[in-house]
Amino acid sequence: RKEVEQDPGPFNVPEGATVAFNCTYSNSASQSFFWYRQDCRKEPKLLMSVYSSGNEDGRFTAQLNRASQYISLLIRDSKLSDSATYLCVGNSGNTPLVFGKGTRLSVIA
Amino acid sequence: EAQVTQNPRYLITVTGKKLTVTCSQNMNHEYMSWYRQDPGLGLRQIYYSMNVEVTDKGDVPEGYKVSRKEKRNFPLILESPSPNQTSLYFCASSVGVGQFFGPGTRLTVL
Repeated sequence: RKEVEQDPGPFNVPEGATVAFNCTYSNSASQSFFWYRQDCRKEPKLLMSVYSSGNEDGRFTAQLNRASQYISLLIRDSKLSDSATYLCVGNSGNTPLVFGKGTRLSVIA
Repeated sequence: EAQVTQNPRYLITVTGKKLTVTCSQNMNHEYMSWYRQDPGLGLRQIYYSMNVEVTDKGDVPEGYKVSRKEKRNFPLILESPSPNQTSLYFCASSVGVGQFFGPGTRLTVL
């Protein structure tokens, strides 16, 4: 069974901290990867795509390590509003998308 | 406004009573899919569609049907709902990068 695995957390961090999540995938044919953010009882929303060369958007940095089959998300200077569940997903073309079960982040004042 | 809409947002029904959850997108996306989300199990794909009249099973298709007669609509049909189909359902669409999700439908089957 091809899986995407994440540490469910919760990660409890103080405001201003830097926090990183990893997501491992077992399907080496996976071609594209994404990080989504999901607030409680809301729909997932695309946060960023993940490229081998790295992808940075403000305080957020995503990276892909194909050799070790993991993707990472780094959040710098955490805000209270960053509290959410972060989902990673791998896409290997025409096969069903596989989402990780999510990592819960709580940023504490 | 670009969006994915689902109806109904909340539904309580009884075992065996056929129901349809509608999904519509206004972004002209070719790819659409349905997911269910359950505590501890995460998002699991039920069915997906690469284009009109093309549908494929996801990871958990049992007990569900879909159709894709038009590009914008992708209804999810439960012919005979059972309590184990109580869940939060999301429709999504995409073209290329990432997916846009609908607001979700919370279904309870008694």
